[in-house]
Amino acid sequence: DADVTQTPRNRITKTGKRIMLECSQTKGHDRMYWYRQDPGLGLRLIYYSFDVKDINKGEISDGYSVSRQAQAKFSLSLESAIPNQTALYFCATSDVRHTETQYFGPGTRLLVL
Amino acid sequence: AQKVTQAQTEISVVEKEDVTLDCVYETRDTTYYLFWYKQPPSGELVFLIRRNSFDEQNEISGRYSWNFQKSTSSFNFTITASQVVDSAVYFCALIGLGGSEKLVFGKGTKLTVNP
Repeated sequence: DADVTQTPRNRITKTGKRIMLECSQTKGHDRMYWYRQDPGLGLRLIYYSFDVKDINKGEISDGYSVSRQAQAKFSLSLESAIPNQTALYFCATSDVRHTETQYFGPGTRLLVL
Repeated sequence: AQKVTQAQTEISVVEKEDVTLDCVYETRDTTYYLFWYKQPPSGELVFLIRRNSFDEQNEISGRYSWNFQKSTSSFNFTITASQVVDSAVYFCALIGLGGSEKLVFGKGTKLTVNP
């Protein structure tokens, strides 16, 4: 089984809808991250969490919110989806003892119409 | 501020050619790590290698090799005898351990290996 899983893997939604992307990990890592990838722009950090009580904004957090329900779960919400949030979203994890290496989930492709 | 530059947006080669993907980085941290990730057409991000700032030894893994040079702030990736399965987008990334500890990615190089 994959160490970092994301659900759904693909999602189509309409402008204005609220949508949640979920990430779960079995690696026992305490740090979790959400990134989005747009063609030609690489990956950009949306939010990150160093433990259950810690949530931090990344470089592009506007229009997004997150919830760290447990050490193993980190959800990303789009409160009111807009077309320019169409992207590939990745969850990642890292261990506080080895914070330099992040392990990525398979990604969620989101299309906002 | 930290920055990773992959100047090559796209590269196209014929199978069996050698190809080098360039990566230049900027950081003020004395301790940092550099990475290469592969993103095949299926979309997942595959970790290839991690290098710390104190280890400038080049590394070889099969057909892959990496050349880390602090003097030029570069961490280049060479694929020898390329194969069609090497076609992917390759990302170079950097994390510095002197402050924010955020992973910064380059914009990627799309490699196409033609048969």
